Amino acid sequence: NAGVTQTPKFRILKIGQSMTLQCTQDMNHNYMYWYRQDPGMGLKLIYYSVGAGITDKGEVPNGYNVSRSTTEDFPLRLELAAPSQTSVYFCASRTSNTGELFFGEGSRLTVL
Amino acid sequence: QQQVKQSPQSLIVQKGGISIINCAYENTAFDYFPWYQQFPGKGPALLIAIRPDVSEKKEGRFTISFNKSAKQFSLHIMDSQPGDSATYFCAASYGSSNTGKLIFGQGTTLQVKP
Repeated sequence: NAGVTQTPKFRILKIGQSMTLQCTQDMNHNYMYWYRQDPGMGLKLIYYSVGAGITDKGEVPNGYNVSRSTTEDFPLRLELAAPSQTSVYFCASRTSNTGELFFGEGSRLTVL
Repeated sequence: QQQVKQSPQSLIVQKGGISIINCAYENTAFDYFPWYQQFPGKGPALLIAIRPDVSEKKEGRFTISFNKSAKQFSLHIMDSQPGDSATYFCAASYGSSNTGKLIFGQGTTLQVKP
């Protein structure tokens, strides 16, 4: 079982560049989430989606955008990358029946 | 009111000892309290979870204790093993049947010494 797959695993960006972090899940989960993890800060919710075509902001959405055209995919777009976006990004999904989140292995992004 | 505060930030325990990690929350609407375990280079994975209608839940060596009046909950790891060395996150949410957005604590890095 693949579960939640994130690409790329590592990426270095220059200030002002843009990129998309990809997330795909094969569990037919309706709910998908993007978190960022910074040392000593836990995980902060960036955006989430409760189904295809529906997205909403989390705690720290500034500088990011998402789309959800299919149940499987939930890409995270970074526009005009800034050093403050250096972080590890995690995508997660869950069914509507339980509270358990299934996480991907993360994407480490460095903005220089 | 959306915060979940976790302590300690780091913890060193000898093999066979008890590891205790504490969390406190403010929002009384929270109704789901999970703990996640994260190994280096991996995503967090659900370890154990509790709802506020019970005061304790045990799964193997892992126990959640829940104090609704104090708005606190804790993770106890009995007979701690080197393989338990990881980062642990508490979390809380309300309406898991709805959006189920989890609010995470800051994390605790546990090291179990052989």
